[in-house]
Amino acid sequence: NAGVTQTPKFRVLKTGQSMTLLCAQDMNHEYMYWYRQDPGMGLRLIHYSVGEGTTAKGEVPDGYNVSRLKKQNFLLGLESAAPSQTSVYFCASSYSTGGLLNTEAFFGQGTRLTVV
Amino acid sequence: AQSVTQPDIHITVSEGASLELRCNYSYGATPYLFWYVQSPGQGLQLLLKYFSGDTLVQGIKGFEAEFKRSQSSFNLRKPSVHWSDAAEYFCASFSGGYNKLIFGAGTRLAVHP
Repeated sequence: NAGVTQTPKFRVLKTGQSMTLLCAQDMNHEYMYWYRQDPGMGLRLIHYSVGEGTTAKGEVPDGYNVSRLKKQNFLLGLESAAPSQTSVYFCASSYSTGGLLNTEAFFGQGTRLTVV
Repeated sequence: AQSVTQPDIHITVSEGASLELRCNYSYGATPYLFWYVQSPGQGLQLLLKYFSGDTLVQGIKGFEAEFKRSQSSFNLRKPSVHWSDAAEYFCASFSGGYNKLIFGAGTRLAVHP
């Protein structure tokens, strides 16, 4: 089982460049999330999606855009990268509640992004 | 707003000693609560979760946690720590009403031999 797969695992960008991080899950989960992890700040929610074609803002959405065109994929885009976006990015997915008790989130291995 | 607080940024214990990591949540209804562990350079692994029922939940690697509604707490415990438990631990809360999984800032655990 692949679970949650993030690509790429590492990337170095120059300020102003753009890139897209891909998250793919094979568990038929409805919910998907993008987090960034910075030292001493834990994981902060960037954007999330509760289903195909829907997205919503999290705690720190500025400078990022997302799309969920297919249920299994959740893309995170940086249109014009800034050094403040240097971070480790984690994608996660989970079932919805809706009576199910399986709201455990499964995480990818992370993408380490450096913006110089 | 929904939030999760982990008051301790760093904790150091001796191998074999007991451990308690604190977690407080703020949300009106009973939330779904989780503890995750992250080893250096790795992703997050679920230790245990609480949804309802028995307030003392058992997890993997000998960890347990107790949900206390009166204190809005979900503290993680282990009776005897092993050197391999050195890692960062995150408490998280999921609220169906908000459709979001919110994390605390994490507690970094160091284990002395």
